[in-house]
Amino acid sequence: SAVISQKPSRDICQRGTSLTIQCQVDSQVTMMFWYRQQPGQSLTLIATANQGSEATYESGFVIDKFPISRPNLTFSTLTVSNMSPEDSSIYLCSVVGRVVVGEQFFGPGTRLTVL
Amino acid sequence: GEDVEQSLFLSVREGDSSVINCTYTDSSSTYLYWYKQEPGAGLQLLTYIFSNMDMKQDQRLTVLLNKKDKHLSLRIADTQTGDSAIYFCADQTPNQFYFGTGTSLTVIP
Repeated sequence: SAVISQKPSRDICQRGTSLTIQCQVDSQVTMMFWYRQQPGQSLTLIATANQGSEATYESGFVIDKFPISRPNLTFSTLTVSNMSPEDSSIYLCSVVGRVVVGEQFFGPGTRLTVL
Repeated sequence: GEDVEQSLFLSVREGDSSVINCTYTDSSSTYLYWYKQEPGAGLQLLTYIFSNMDMKQDQRLTVLLNKKDKHLSLRIADTQTGDSAIYFCADQTPNQFYFGTGTSLTVIP
């Protein structure tokens, strides 16, 4: 299985600021994703982080608000820009494993509160 | 898009069996998953089943899949207080994962 770490684990931010979340995987993986889990809700896919090219965003999410970088096969960042209280959520990165096709592993999440 | 639905809450007594249900709509599912999320923690993959299987058993966990009815269930035998958590089913189609709404399981001592 893949071991995924995220930084920071939690943060409290002011409206209008930006926060960059880091995701580090202990092995090379082809597919990395960013999800959002709003309070009491299920997970919503934000985007697929593509190595060496622009991320693929889902409907309702745009690059200006959630810029994503993926410089290599083990690391990605998600920035939440110009934050508002509605951005308060848990942000999770996930990867698809290589041992069993389709097996998806999640990081511990970053709990973001915007005041 | 795909709809994946679960009932929101389930309470069981310690030692009883728990059954958590999930329905989905997309017929192109390849794998279906169950994840556990404890308070303040990330998601933990519990088990998964290929879409061409009917059942999978893994210790106290039994997954049943009725592909015709697009119904997935997770049975936890001898439920313990440590099983209290939110359980998410997830459906993998060729394009992406879809998560259910989550079922909050409360185990009463």
